Amino acid sequence: KQEVTQIPAALSVPEGENLVLNCSFTDSAIYNLQWFRQDPGKGLTSLLLIQSSQREQTSGRLNASLDKSSGRSTLYIAASQPGDSATYLCAAPNDYKLSFGAGTTVTVRA
Amino acid sequence: EAGVAQSPRYKIIEKRQSVAFWCNPISGHATLYWYQQILGQGPKLLIQFQNNGVVDDSQLPKDRFSAERLKGVDSTLKIQPAKLEDSAVYLCASSLDGSTSGFTDTQYFGPGTRLTVL
Repeated sequence: KQEVTQIPAALSVPEGENLVLNCSFTDSAIYNLQWFRQDPGKGLTSLLLIQSSQREQTSGRLNASLDKSSGRSTLYIAASQPGDSATYLCAAPNDYKLSFGAGTTVTVRA
Repeated sequence: EAGVAQSPRYKIIEKRQSVAFWCNPISGHATLYWYQQILGQGPKLLIQFQNNGVVDDSQLPKDRFSAERLKGVDSTLKIQPAKLEDSAVYLCASSLDGSTSGFTDTQYFGPGTRLTVL
């Protein structure tokens, strides 16, 4: 069974600082990993999907890396802005379902 | 393009009462998912439909939860009777194909229904 863990549960940084969000998973036989963003009172928005054949994926200020051998993925957000404040969740396949981590809640202070 | 619609947005009920949630997926999306998200946790898949057939309902508490997808479009999720531990946000999502169970297909989420059971 795939277990997905995100540490820390919460993070607060000043505006402009780079963010590093961690995700670990127990079953390394995955063929992709996804990162989502969740704003209060709203659903999830897909940010990045990394295929197992890729080591990283980039979209604007966001960059996600995947290391299957160590069971880790990292989401980097460059030059954080107050609008980046949200909960970020990673998800890995588990028996044809997605297993989500509990998320890291990010607060970017102006 | 309209997103995934859900209603109601909020619901408060007493334990042992019944409740139903409605979801309208993005037009043309074949696959529909219902997730339960308890406060402080990630979403957990309850049931997945491909068109109007059930693909996976292994984590659906079938003694009290039921779901249907009418004509392969809208879906309703029902809880009867509700328990205190059912307090959560119920998220509906849809994806275009999901033929490989959706995890290689981008899932689009609705805003969710926040259920409080007193």
